[in-house]
Amino acid sequence: GENVEQHPSTLSVQEGDSAVIKCTYSDSASNYFPWYKQELGKGPQLIIDIRSNVGEKKDQRIAVTLNKTAKHFSLHITETQPEDSAVYFCAASTPTGANNLFFGTGTRLTVIP
Amino acid sequence: DTEVTQTPKHLVMGMTNKKSLKCEQHMGHRAMYWYKQKAKKPPELMFVYSYEKLSINESVPSRFSPECPNSSLLNLHLHALQPEDSALYLCASSPFGGLTNTGELFFGEGSRLTVL
Repeated sequence: GENVEQHPSTLSVQEGDSAVIKCTYSDSASNYFPWYKQELGKGPQLIIDIRSNVGEKKDQRIAVTLNKTAKHFSLHITETQPEDSAVYFCAASTPTGANNLFFGTGTRLTVIP
Repeated sequence: DTEVTQTPKHLVMGMTNKKSLKCEQHMGHRAMYWYKQKAKKPPELMFVYSYEKLSINESVPSRFSPECPNSSLLNLHLHALQPEDSALYLCASSPFGGLTNTGELFFGEGSRLTVL
């Protein structure tokens, strides 16, 4: 089955700096790659996603890039703010049949004011 | 705010109790999920209902029993749990099920379960 690796496990940045989180996947059939933000005591919130027919997607301060050849995708957050502090999970999916997302192990991002 | 609503937010139960977790969505989504999340770990899939039929059971012990009364509701019945079952239980939904699934998954806030 699919195996998703995520790095780093923890990341601290100064407010205003950029943060980058990287994930690799193993199954070349995976074609959907969402990113989730989970704040303390809350459920994961979908913040951005990308499909395999697209190389990059941007939504305000958040962007995701996908390299299908290398089987890796990354989350980029620019101009970080304290409210960006959370755990971020990447995931990969081959939506054939019932959906099953394979999650990375998570990155705890801390934005220092 | 999430449009997947879970109740209760917190639940404490003994190993001999019977309790239920409830999940509701009114987005017209046709697939619903139960995930289990331990501290500092990613969510782990337990069950998937697609068009109100159980389509995936990830070898979950029988002390967890899912139920999908209709396309908007999902329950998880709990009986004879163990302390190691203490975790955050997350419900999620996606717009389509089965072969038409497009991948998007929307989570509720979770029910934090403590088994004494």
